[in-house]
Amino acid sequence: GAGVSQSPSNKVTEKGKDVELRCDPISGHTALYWYRQRLGQGLEFLIYFQGNSAPDKSGLPSDRFSAERTGESVSTLTIQRTQQEDSAVYLCASSPRTGANYGYTFGSGTRLTVV
Amino acid sequence: DQQVKQNSPSLSVQEGRISILNCDYTNSMFDYFLWYKKYPAEGPTFLISISSIKDKNEDGRFTVFLNKSAKHLSLHIVPSQPGDSAVYFCAASTYSGTYKYIFGTGTRLKVLA
Repeated sequence: GAGVSQSPSNKVTEKGKDVELRCDPISGHTALYWYRQRLGQGLEFLIYFQGNSAPDKSGLPSDRFSAERTGESVSTLTIQRTQQEDSAVYLCASSPRTGANYGYTFGSGTRLTVV
Repeated sequence: DQQVKQNSPSLSVQEGRISILNCDYTNSMFDYFLWYKKYPAEGPTFLISISSIKDKNEDGRFTVFLNKSAKHLSLHIVPSQPGDSAVYFCAASTYSGTYKYIFGTGTRLKVLA
């Protein structure tokens, strides 16, 4: 597609429920990143994919968080047993390949609210 | 440990004047820096970048300055326009198996007409 697409744009869920967030990167972009932004804070790195593998998962805050990518395309971020502190905007970004001079293209994000 | 810091959460500037947004970092291994702009309900968009081998990069009204000895970079916008009102994030990267960007907390710029 023309840009990075994320769905849903908004999600309200009850504490303890599982949620799945989806990211469609720009076609042909091999690198895909998940970040989140909690209220009043900066963008926090979660996980990075090169193709379908995730060489860097260091930002996932707990084992309740997992992500996968298939077909070197769509990625899903799953949060199990959601907690209120998971409330944030979850941003997905892609780039043509990994490298310092390849800036990211971000999606509009999924605003997750855990009540 | 916040490796990239934007100490001013907000900044107001009169239209036509210069906006200066500042960013400090702690990791001397960072070798590439970017600025992103974010409007409400949209994802951040890339604005301008600079490599650590340079001390200045200019693109139209936007100039980024890098002071490696001070571990400081700044974004200058001149002249500022009301459409520049947004949140600006600086980001830094270095290679540690992968390149990933560490973002600051952002500065909300408001350009007053």
